[in-house]
Amino acid sequence: QQQVKQSPQSLIVQKGGISIINCAYENTAFDYFPWYQQFPGKGPALLIAIRPDVSEKKEGRFTISFNKSAKQFSLHIMDSQPGDSATYFCAASPRSGAGSYQLTFGKGTKLSVIP
Amino acid sequence: GAGVSQSPSNKVTEKGKDVELRCDPISGHTALYWYRQRLGQGLEFLIYFQGNSAPDKSGLPSDRFSAERTGESVSTLTIQRTQQEDSAVYLCASSFRGGNYEQYFGPGTRLTVT
Repeated sequence: QQQVKQSPQSLIVQKGGISIINCAYENTAFDYFPWYQQFPGKGPALLIAIRPDVSEKKEGRFTISFNKSAKQFSLHIMDSQPGDSATYFCAASPRSGAGSYQLTFGKGTKLSVIP
Repeated sequence: GAGVSQSPSNKVTEKGKDVELRCDPISGHTALYWYRQRLGQGLEFLIYFQGNSAPDKSGLPSDRFSAERTGESVSTLTIQRTQQEDSAVYLCASSFRGGNYEQYFGPGTRLTVT
């Protein structure tokens, strides 16, 4: 059972455009939602993370939007650049208690930003 | 400072052989994690070590998989009698503590079982 569903699988965006990646989760115990960026041959790196006490978090060109009632969250990349071309993973874990260290990942979105 | 390192970066082995993968976490990080990333898939949690506590092995897919960690340093993931479905990238991560502290990932070991 996939607990975090991510879409789309791949995304092509023109330079300067907005990239949007969506994730949906099922486990209501999830309370921490990070996004990871992975370049080929490298391990994932934390990009931005949100907790559900806020509906939006912005860091530079990257914004997470969170909808607790719909159990959905999304990553928006504004002014997308060719250097943003990578695979993006959403993840989720319980905030505390058992399994709080155990990230459940989506399957990833391969983003290509074309000049 | 140095990040998480893993060795080897690539490993090709024959079906039925045992393999050992190594992870060196960031110094001072008490928590260490192993994940498996199959082609086109997200990361699957395998095992978690936190300090001297008993590890959480709930993600290990079969008893052919085992992992050890010496104190708060190096960890090894061992796969016995490898099967073709074990082919994947094995990623190690460490964090300052367990819980929702940021996990820093190594570059992974790409395992190919022929």
